[in-house]
Amino acid sequence: EIVLTQSPGTLSLSPGERATLSCRASQSVSSSYLVWYQQKPGQAPRLLIYGASSRATGIADRFSGSGSGTDFTLTISRLEPEDFAVYYCQQYGSSPMYTFGQGTRLEIK
Amino acid sequence: QVQLQESGPGLVKPSETLSLTCTVSGASISSFYWSWIRQSPGKGPEWIGYIYYSGRTNYNPSLRSRVTMSVDSSENQFSLRLSSVTAADTAVYHCARVEPNTAWYFDYWGRGTLVTVSS
Repeated sequence: EIVLTQSPGTLSLSPGERATLSCRASQSVSSSYLVWYQQKPGQAPRLLIYGASSRATGIADRFSGSGSGTDFTLTISRLEPEDFAVYYCQQYGSSPMYTFGQGTRLEIK
Repeated sequence: QVQLQESGPGLVKPSETLSLTCTVSGASISSFYWSWIRQSPGKGPEWIGYIYYSGRTNYNPSLRSRVTMSVDSSENQFSLRLSSVTAADTAVYHCARVEPNTAWYFDYWGRGTLVTVSS
């Protein structure tokens, strides 16, 4: 099983600042198989990034993804008030077919 | 717009069976793969399994012995049954659609329903 470890657990920043979130895999993951979701309290997770770096439909261009192998990054260039949420990475693999990171909580400083 | 809505009891007794239904609107259940995913308090999401309208399933090995999924095409719904539950099964349960072109992620999710296992 591929384990995804996200860091930091909590990130405290102010609107307008840049956020960098990390997702590290226990084994190499194809970039095609790495995605990021955003989740706000009481809401369904929303797909942000697929294929490690492609923005999903309707996602603002301040969100970007990068990385390869075992290290992947989600960057939010300039934080807007609505960006404060929990972010999860997820990979597609063999068994189990889908695994998720434990999440990074992005909170207002 | 595809929408998913989970429904079912919010409280289940230990050793009993958890049963949830997901109602899909905006898409035919007969054209896609559908999943259940849960989030235990303080943890990341955990994939439970998926089902295709034909009945083909794939379950997470950690839960396989206790999970059964089914589809009701006439109602555009799919369901989850998890047997012999314990407190460790307390979680928010989401249903989701597997992205149809690659099947590598989930493109639509329900908001989730909290299920508490307690006597």
